[in-house]
Amino acid sequence: DAGVIQSPRHEVTEMGQEVTLRCKPISGHDYLFWYRQTMMRGLELLIYFNNNVPIDDSGMPEDRFSAKMPNASFSTLKIQPSEPRDSAVYFCASSLPGNNEQFFGPGTRLTVL
Amino acid sequence: RKEVEQDPGPFNVPEGATVAFNCTYSNSASQSFFWYRQDCRKEPKLLMSVYSSGNEDGRFTAQLNRASQYISLLIRDSKLSDSATYLCVVYNFNKFYFGSGTKLNVKP
Repeated sequence: DAGVIQSPRHEVTEMGQEVTLRCKPISGHDYLFWYRQTMMRGLELLIYFNNNVPIDDSGMPEDRFSAKMPNASFSTLKIQPSEPRDSAVYFCASSLPGNNEQFFGPGTRLTVL
Repeated sequence: RKEVEQDPGPFNVPEGATVAFNCTYSNSASQSFFWYRQDCRKEPKLLMSVYSSGNEDGRFTAQLNRASQYISLLIRDSKLSDSATYLCVVYNFNKFYFGSGTKLNVKP
């Protein structure tokens, strides 16, 4: 298995532009998580899905952020419009049900100028 | 108050040293506990789970103290390759809460 796949690995954009981050979880994993990591705030959970259904989006910072999971093998995190304070590394992770190990993707390093 | 708190370090130790990290958590109903390791500019990876009775994996020992709501990680005979950030993770009701991490630098 290739593990959790994320794209792009790096994204540089200008303030006001739309940004779409993509994630392919490990096949068979029912849970998918989106995290954001910054030096100041550490690793923060943004949203997680169970069987493609969003369960808890309380970590999504504001309406500019949205996430979808149209099927079991694909999820997107969209920021529209982007702002410089959104600059961070965004990780996607997947896991089996329950308190099992989370497997993280390599992350997308986002820079908003 | 944060769900999980850790000393950010850095802990600078020589090779062969023993080093210990602690982590405190706020929710006494927390169900499971883990230590993850994150190398610079890489993703976090599971190092070990933490069981109530304590557990050991080679040079690594993890312990849980529910009464005081903290978990610990002990690394014996430190190697250069142990240099990383160690993240304390607490699992509550389908959500994982990550500490900000403790940075370890092992020097020759």
